[in-house]
Amino acid sequence: DTAVSQTPKYLVTQMGNDKSIKCEQNLGHDTMYWYKQDSKKFLKIMFSYNNKELIINETVPNRFSPKSPDKAHLNLHINSLELGDSAVYFCASSQLAGGQETQYFGPGTRLLVL
Amino acid sequence: SQQGEEDPQALSIQEGENATMNCSYKTSINNLQWYRQNSGRGLVHLILIRSNEREKHSGRLRVTLDTSKKSSSLLITASRAADTASYFCAGLSGGSYIPTFGRGTSLIVHP
Repeated sequence: DTAVSQTPKYLVTQMGNDKSIKCEQNLGHDTMYWYKQDSKKFLKIMFSYNNKELIINETVPNRFSPKSPDKAHLNLHINSLELGDSAVYFCASSQLAGGQETQYFGPGTRLLVL
Repeated sequence: SQQGEEDPQALSIQEGENATMNCSYKTSINNLQWYRQNSGRGLVHLILIRSNEREKHSGRLRVTLDTSKKSSSLLITASRAADTASYFCAGLSGGSYIPTFGRGTSLIVHP
């Protein structure tokens, strides 16, 4: 059973389109995250969310928006895709209550914007 | 601030050799974590060392932490071809629960 899953695994789309990436965790964790990994493997936090607060990395364009229908899901919606959005996007989760800082990552979604 | 900067960027060794990767960070941390990423996969947590610890072991992994130098090292002993991956460190500062990752060290272990 996959602990953190993402769909789709690959996403190829045209500039200007709107797309969503879905993430689900079955670990019962209280906090979820989205990261962007660029071609140089630099991993940058985009959002973190638990049922109390959403923390946004201020460098993330407002074309990106997280949506959490429930505690087990944190989807990433991207409007007006740009070439520079091409990257691998990782979802992760952790259980902060109880002080567990370890993050569990999904397999990644490879986004290519043409 | 960057809370994880790995060195070297790339490391190539023969199977059976030891691999040492270093990590430096800029501000005080509560803990430092090491993760591994196989090609085309997500990151997998390896080990966490807290600021009041100096050394930690897990199987063939040994992690040290020097808070005075703001640095950590990850040693993989008796490396195997299956250890080929990228290794990331991530520091967690007080008041934040979001670790900040570096660019990683790409390790290649030749059989």
